[in-house]
Amino acid sequence: QKEVEQNSGPLSVPEGAIASLNCTYSDRGSQSFFWYRQYSGKSPELIMFIYSNGDKEDGRFTAQLNKASQYVSLLIRDSQPSDSATYLCAAPGAGSYQLTFGKGTKLSVIP
Amino acid sequence: DGGITQSPKYLFRKEGQNVTLSCEQNLNHDAMYWYRQDPGQGLRLIYYSQIVNDFQKGDIAEGYSVSREKKESFPLTVTSAQKNPTAFYLCASSRFGTGRSDTQYFGPGTRLTVL
Repeated sequence: QKEVEQNSGPLSVPEGAIASLNCTYSDRGSQSFFWYRQYSGKSPELIMFIYSNGDKEDGRFTAQLNKASQYVSLLIRDSQPSDSATYLCAAPGAGSYQLTFGKGTKLSVIP
Repeated sequence: DGGITQSPKYLFRKEGQNVTLSCEQNLNHDAMYWYRQDPGQGLRLIYYSQIVNDFQKGDIAEGYSVSREKKESFPLTVTSAQKNPTAFYLCASSRFGTGRSDTQYFGPGTRLTVL
């Protein structure tokens, strides 16, 4: 049973700080990883995906993947109150297109 | 304006009733998915379809049924056999349904409440 684990939080950071969100996964065959943001009462929206070891940057967001240690993280630089949301990590299993989602980490950015 | 639409936004069901949730996409995506989300929980896969007239059960298919008669449409029926259907239902689609960069995009969701 493939698993994706996230710290449920809440994670509180002051405005302007770096928020660091972490995710670990059990299936070594997982090839790619997705980060979604979900505001309360809304549907998830894609922030970014990563499938190569190392860092991938998109604006204020950086995804980091370490396949040897089986973790993926999302860094949010210059955090804004509008970043306050639940962040979901997802990964497909090897040879599968079914995504397994973590339960999400709730982030609060304090003005 | 491309996207995924779900209707209704809110749905109330009485005990013993079947209800159908609509999902339509105009992204020309091959694959479509239905998830269920309970408070404080991640998304759990109910059914998915990679191609018209074919669909597969996900992790929690019991009490649900789907059809895929058109590429654009993937309705979900919540039957009376589903004992605890109150949840947030999310429909998603992706371009191919396979491949490491195949990304799922979500509709706005339907919130179902059993009275």
